Amino acid sequence: GDSVTQMEGPVTLSEEAFLTINCTYTATGYPSLFWYVQYPGEGLQLLLKATKADDKGSNKGFEATYRKETTSFHLEKGSVQVSDSAVYFCALSRNTGKLIFGQGTTLQVKP
Amino acid sequence: SQTIHQWPATLVQPVGSPLSLECTVEGTSNPNLYWYRQAAGRGLQLLFYSIGIDQISSEVPQNLSASRPQDRQFILSSKKLLLSDSGFYLCAWSAGGGGSSYEQYFGPGTRLTVT
Repeated sequence: GDSVTQMEGPVTLSEEAFLTINCTYTATGYPSLFWYVQYPGEGLQLLLKATKADDKGSNKGFEATYRKETTSFHLEKGSVQVSDSAVYFCALSRNTGKLIFGQGTTLQVKP
Repeated sequence: SQTIHQWPATLVQPVGSPLSLECTVEGTSNPNLYWYRQAAGRGLQLLFYSIGIDQISSEVPQNLSASRPQDRQFILSSKKLLLSDSGFYLCAWSAGGGGSSYEQYFGPGTRLTVT
């Protein structure tokens, strides 16, 4: 069945460091891919999305490129801030109306 | 624009008591609606999924139930809470019919502690 795998956390970085959170997926066809962010005590917010191969989603300095050949959708940011500390979820959708989520990766950014 | 509300924000209930959590969506019609549970430090578990009034799918057998009395209202209930029902409950919506990508938008959540 469909699945999403994220890198194990927590990820701890210093402010202004480069961020990569790996996400790979298993699905037939061409799923849509998403990154969500959850700040402490809050619901999930859609961070970015990509709906077809080679699409790049971007928002708030974060980027992710839909790589069909490697079935990946890695999240990157060039310079993280303390305010980026949160849990990040990768997810996919295959037109079933449901999202398949990864297990989440906790990011902690230290000043 | 669309907004999604959940209440209460926090709830402490004794074991064996009933539960009712409410979710409402504004600014859209015929949304798909979802209930998720997030246990402490863990990922999201889809509990219920609804594509319309009285059209609800249960994803995980448990002592919880869901109802959708109106197009934009989704209620999560239990007759008798268990300790294992503690967690963070999230409601979400997506465009009915799927749109182009089925992205979901989440409410602020309800923190439930069963004592």
